Amino acid sequence: HSVVTQPLSTSGTPGQRVSISCSGSASNVGNFSVNWYQQVPGTAPKLLIYDDDQRPSGVPDRFSGSKSGTSASLAISDVQSEDESDYYCAVWDDSLDAWVFGGGTKLTVL
Amino acid sequence: EVRLVESGGGLVQPGGSLRLSCAASGFTFSNYAMTWVRQAPGKGLEWVSAIDGTGENSYYAESVRGRFIISRNNSTNTLHLQMNSLRVDDTALYYCVKGFGDFWGQGTFVIVSS
Repeated sequence: HSVVTQPLSTSGTPGQRVSISCSGSASNVGNFSVNWYQQVPGTAPKLLIYDDDQRPSGVPDRFSGSKSGTSASLAISDVQSEDESDYYCAVWDDSLDAWVFGGGTKLTVL
Repeated sequence: EVRLVESGGGLVQPGGSLRLSCAASGFTFSNYAMTWVRQAPGKGLEWVSAIDGTGENSYYAESVRGRFIISRNNSTNTLHLQMNSLRVDDTALYYCVKGFGDFWGQGTFVIVSS
């Protein structure tokens, strides 16, 4: 299992706000920047959030990232059907000397 | 426009070797660390290896350390992953990634099976 933990799944109805957590420790989330990726099934992942809370150009501002202590979160406001994807957090871990991914969270838009 | 095009995947028997390549364009290749990430069928993302922009420093996941070697050629803008002593659980789609995730290629599939 991964050293950073995400919920397996979450869901929301169109227009709702949903949040996905990424829990780690001082050796990873607590001291290093967290990235978030969106992966539509059958396609390559796409960077959504970098450096905990920064959005690359082209990513809608409905997507936001935050971090407090050893836990990070991805929030999606006004969730839409096209947001139905798998979402992954990733962070460097200096006790493992490795980049670690969360196990991924499947978002279902009902 | 950033492009990452992986090649070299295929079917190999357990214990065999493969060399993956990634042709990069659209950015100053030598300015960026590069990464390999894999995804087994129906599973999540797993970091495999990374190399800094100069090629002097490389990092490996515990699962591949001692079997895989990452390298780069900054003259030809190419990233490589030499995979030796392949195991069935190395079967995955292997992605070439710019930096630590700001852009991903489409991947090349490696199947390890007898």
